[in-house]
Amino acid sequence: SQKIEQNSEALNIQEGKTATLTCNYTNYSPAYLQWYRQDPGRGPVFLLLIRENEKEKRKERLKVTFDTTLKQSLFHITASQPADSATYLCALSSGGYQKVTFGTGTKLQVIP
Amino acid sequence: DTEVTQTPKHLVMGMTNKKSLKCEQHMGHRAMYWYKQKAKKPPELMFVYSYEKLSINESVPSRFSPECPNSSLLNLHLHALQPEDSALYLCASSRISGRLGEQYFGPGTRLTVT
Repeated sequence: SQKIEQNSEALNIQEGKTATLTCNYTNYSPAYLQWYRQDPGRGPVFLLLIRENEKEKRKERLKVTFDTTLKQSLFHITASQPADSATYLCALSSGGYQKVTFGTGTKLQVIP
Repeated sequence: DTEVTQTPKHLVMGMTNKKSLKCEQHMGHRAMYWYKQKAKKPPELMFVYSYEKLSINESVPSRFSPECPNSSLLNLHLHALQPEDSALYLCASSRISGRLGEQYFGPGTRLTVT
C-alpha cells in the first residue's frame, strides 16, 4: 500500500541554523509533491510545490528537493527563526488536482 | 481574496443531533474538499467536489453528507455521529486547470460529539 513518511515526529533546532525535514514515500509515483505548514488548531498553509521533472525549488528561505529515484523530498529552512516553529506536512499527488495524500508531519521547534 | 472561511469554529453535538458545517471561498476555485484531522495526525481526505459535482468519496460513512449548492459554497451535513467522529474538519479549495495542486485551507471546525 502507499506510504508517505516524514522521518521525524519532532525536530528541535537552534535559531539561525538550517532545518532539514525529510519526506519518503513508497508504492507511489507522484506527479508532484507539496509542502505545507500547519500551526496548532489551524488549517495547513501551502508553501511550495515541486514537479516530478524538477530537482529543486526555492522561495525566500525555503528550498525543496525532489529525488524520484530515492523516492524522497528534502525541505530546508535556512536561517531558521522561532516564528518558523510549526508542523510541516509533505503531500503527494499522482496527477490531476484532486487526490492529495498527506505525510505524517514533522513538528519543528526553533529554539532562540 | 485568498481566504477560505468555515463556520462554526467550534461545534458540540449529541449523537442524535443534526448539524451542518459550512465553507465558503471567493477565489473562483472549481474544486472543493472536505478533510478530517485527528490530533497529531495528517488531514485525511473525505470528499472532493469539482464543478459542483461530487467526484471523490473516500468511503465515508453515510452519517456525513456533503453538498455543494454553488461554486463558492460547500456544506457538510452531520447526523447520528459517533464520539470517534470528534475531530477538526477542514475545508479546502483549489484550481482545476492551470497551476494545479496548491490547496487553500480554511481554519477548520472543531467538532466534539458527546
